[in-house]
Amino acid sequence: GAVVSQHPSWVICKSGTSVKIECRSLDFQATTMFWYRQFPKQSLMLMATSNEGSKATYEQGVEKDKFLINHASLTLSTLTVTSAHPEDSSFYICSARDGLAYNEQFFGPGTRLTVL
Amino acid sequence: GIQVEQSPPDLILQEGANSTLRCNFSDSVNNLQWFHQNPWGQLINLFYIPSGTKQNGRLSATTVATERYSLLYISSSQTTDSGVYFCAVEVMDSSYKLIFGSGTRLLVRP
Repeated sequence: GAVVSQHPSWVICKSGTSVKIECRSLDFQATTMFWYRQFPKQSLMLMATSNEGSKATYEQGVEKDKFLINHASLTLSTLTVTSAHPEDSSFYICSARDGLAYNEQFFGPGTRLTVL
Repeated sequence: GIQVEQSPPDLILQEGANSTLRCNFSDSVNNLQWFHQNPWGQLINLFYIPSGTKQNGRLSATTVATERYSLLYISSSQTTDSGVYFCAVEVMDSSYKLIFGSGTRLLVRP
């Protein structure tokens, strides 16, 4: 199967700061990447779809100015949580799909964000 | 939007027991995937199964797309099978979005 990495694995920041999370597809080119959020003991909620070279598509209720997504290359997407607040604390997970070799999605290991 | 329901929500097994997890979905889908989320949060791909039956070791899965459900079978369970099992369906449009069920939390006791 394909491998997706995320960095950092965990981050603690002060309220009001911005945090960038990277998602990379290591052995395939991901035409589409997705960002999810997961609260403790809950399921994954899709936040946005990221297509290489175009603007991200956000799910209803997700603030696009709060969660900035950039998919600058076929192997890298970034999620920036701007002016983070304690309620943004969560587990953020990305996934990638190439649609050529694999139709299924593969997930990164996740990033645990804690905002103090 | 499409609804994805998983049952049971929680399951406790003795090591060596078998189990069946169910995933129902409310509309036609392009694809369906089963995942195991380990205690560290990593989602591990178990099956990509839009229809039919697949087997991988002690695990097998069956999707009956026309009846909108999928089943995941775990045989001879081991403590390492503990964790949360999610099914996720790909909506039938061009977005490739996956919609997740609420998961089945499995604990296998030694």
